[in-house]
Amino acid sequence: NAGVTQTPKFQVLKTGQSMTLQCAQDMNHEYMSWYRQDPGMGLRLIHYSVGAGITDQGEVPNGYNVSRSTTEDFPLRLLSAAPSQTSVYFCASSSGTHLGEQYFGPGTRLTVT
Amino acid sequence: ILNVEQSPQSLHVQEGDSTNFTCSFPSSNFYALHWYRWETAKSPEALFVMTLNGDEKKKGRISATLNTKEGYSYLYIKGSQPEDSATYLCAPSMDSNYQLIWGAGTKLIIKP
Repeated sequence: NAGVTQTPKFQVLKTGQSMTLQCAQDMNHEYMSWYRQDPGMGLRLIHYSVGAGITDQGEVPNGYNVSRSTTEDFPLRLLSAAPSQTSVYFCASSSGTHLGEQYFGPGTRLTVT
Repeated sequence: ILNVEQSPQSLHVQEGDSTNFTCSFPSSNFYALHWYRWETAKSPEALFVMTLNGDEKKKGRISATLNTKEGYSYLYIKGSQPEDSATYLCAPSMDSNYQLIWGAGTKLIIKP
């Protein structure tokens, strides 16, 4: 039982490049989400999904796309990287209730130059 | 925009001392309040989830209380140890999509 896995752990991109951050969970959770964490700020929700085939925007969705073709996987795509997207990205999953604990992946540290 | 405030932003505490910090959130449309512990170079891990006004939860030396009418929660640590050094995040659940609204955290540093 691996929990929530994320790849890569570190990535450096040049402005304008695109890439996909991978996220997978093996807990059969319906609810998955992507956050970014910047110094001095709380975790900010980028996109989330309440089940396979369903995604929705969070607080800061611009510049990112997601898809949810299976329950297990929830990749985050950066379409054209910008320095403002330099951040630490966390994927999380939960059972999808108000009491549901969120399980976090190890994070991806992304630098855009 | 829903505002979740945590205070203080950071806190230095002598080993062995007890401490507490605050999470404030809007009291309307409240479903649950989560506390997470986030150690440096790791991922956030759940500590407590509370739903009812007056709820109190305890895990070892750490406890939390909840006041939903006035919109605040306290986290208490008794007899702080170096391993308690972490950032403590609170996050209320306040909409029907189960999204958590995260505070910026209180960074706790225990001095030996």
